[in-house]
Amino acid sequence: AQSVTQPDIHITVSEGASLELRCNYSYGATPYLFWYVQSPGQGLQLLLKYFSGDTLVQGIKGFEAEFKRSQSSFNLRKPSVHWSDAAEYFCAVGPPRGGGNKLTFGTGTQLKVEL
Amino acid sequence: DTEVTQTPKHLVMGMTNKKSLKCEQHMGHRAMYWYKQKAKKPPELMFVYSYEKLSINESVPSRFSPECPNSSLLNLHLHALQPEDSALYLCASSPGTGGYNEQFFGPGTRLTVL
Repeated sequence: AQSVTQPDIHITVSEGASLELRCNYSYGATPYLFWYVQSPGQGLQLLLKYFSGDTLVQGIKGFEAEFKRSQSSFNLRKPSVHWSDAAEYFCAVGPPRGGGNKLTFGTGTQLKVEL
Repeated sequence: DTEVTQTPKHLVMGMTNKKSLKCEQHMGHRAMYWYKQKAKKPPELMFVYSYEKLSINESVPSRFSPECPNSSLLNLHLHALQPEDSALYLCASSPGTGGYNEQFFGPGTRLTVL
């Protein structure tokens, strides 16, 4: 069965520092890959997604992610973190074509930003 | 209109009450979802409606009853809930039913069962 692993439960960075959140997936074929962000008490907002093509994808709010097939990873990065980026980040995978529409979420990474 | 709306924002109910959560989208999306989210956990899928038909029920207890009256509206009827059902209930929609479809989430309803 497919699975998504976010190894870091909590990460703390200083404002202005760079950020990398890790995501690894286990799937028989390359799934569709997503990163969502959730502020406290709010719904989830899509940051970016990868389907195919260029392995470096740009998203909203200055985020980017790189798909590495050999490592089954889809890590999220931001060159300079802002205090407003403090939130919960979820990596998710969608099944390949014909596999339905059920997203599998990772357990999430809580980002804290120190001023 | 590119958002999913949910009402109410907060709901407190007793274990004998009957209440309903409402979700609406006007993006022409053909799939709609209900998720349950406990604190510090990822969302857990409960139900999926595809083209107004229930396509996925993740073995959810019958005290939760979904309804899709039309392509824009999704309800979740609640009856005889337990305190452990207290959670954030999220609604989402997507343009289609494939795994490549981005899901758009509403802000959620914070449910407390006393």
